[in-house]
Amino acid sequence: DSGVTQTPKHLITATGQRVTLRCSPRSGDLSVYWYQQSLDQGLQFLIQYYNGEERAKGNILERFSAQQFPDLHSELNLSSLELGDSALYFCASSQEPAGGDEQFFGPGTRLTVL
Amino acid sequence: GENVEQHPSTLSVQEGDSAVIKCTYSDSASNYFPWYKQELGKRPQLIIDIRSNVGEKKDQRIAVTLNKTAKHFSLHITETQPEDSAVYFCAAKRAHNNNDMRFGAGTRLTVKP
Repeated sequence: DSGVTQTPKHLITATGQRVTLRCSPRSGDLSVYWYQQSLDQGLQFLIQYYNGEERAKGNILERFSAQQFPDLHSELNLSSLELGDSALYFCASSQEPAGGDEQFFGPGTRLTVL
Repeated sequence: GENVEQHPSTLSVQEGDSAVIKCTYSDSASNYFPWYKQELGKRPQLIIDIRSNVGEKKDQRIAVTLNKTAKHFSLHITETQPEDSAVYFCAAKRAHNNNDMRFGAGTRLTVKP
């Protein structure tokens, strides 16, 4: 157990819908990262937050948005869902920049868009 | 930004043989290089990492080498076992710089008993 939690574990929804994925980082970690992993694909970096502020953006679609709240948990919002958005969504946290660079991954949310 | 390439995409070895996975990176300022192992349906987990102030690091059957001049680093697994079968990802970033980490595309390693 990495200490990073994600909910829900599974999510099945229809095209055009909107969903919210939630992540709680390890205690003390200020940085949160979101990744998308499609079937048999690598980890695509979406976005990073540090202490409530956006720090880096990767290949995140305009239909997707995220935020980090004062209690440091983060939410990834996916809207106008398409079949191709079906994937595993991981969040990770780290102690950066104050501490280690290692990113600890949560168990992921498997999103299926029908 | 950083771009990481990883080879091979699939690797099949016989139990007891060695496996080598190679990665190249583009940002010469990157100085932190972790390797993650991901079993089917599970989260990626760090197995070893190396920083640019060392050229090699070893942990039991796993070792990582780094060539900063050539901007490539490799994962070596010796005496492979069936439980080593997984997808392995390399990554690169600037340490303590609070920026994103870029991952390679992954290598699916299969160890045949």
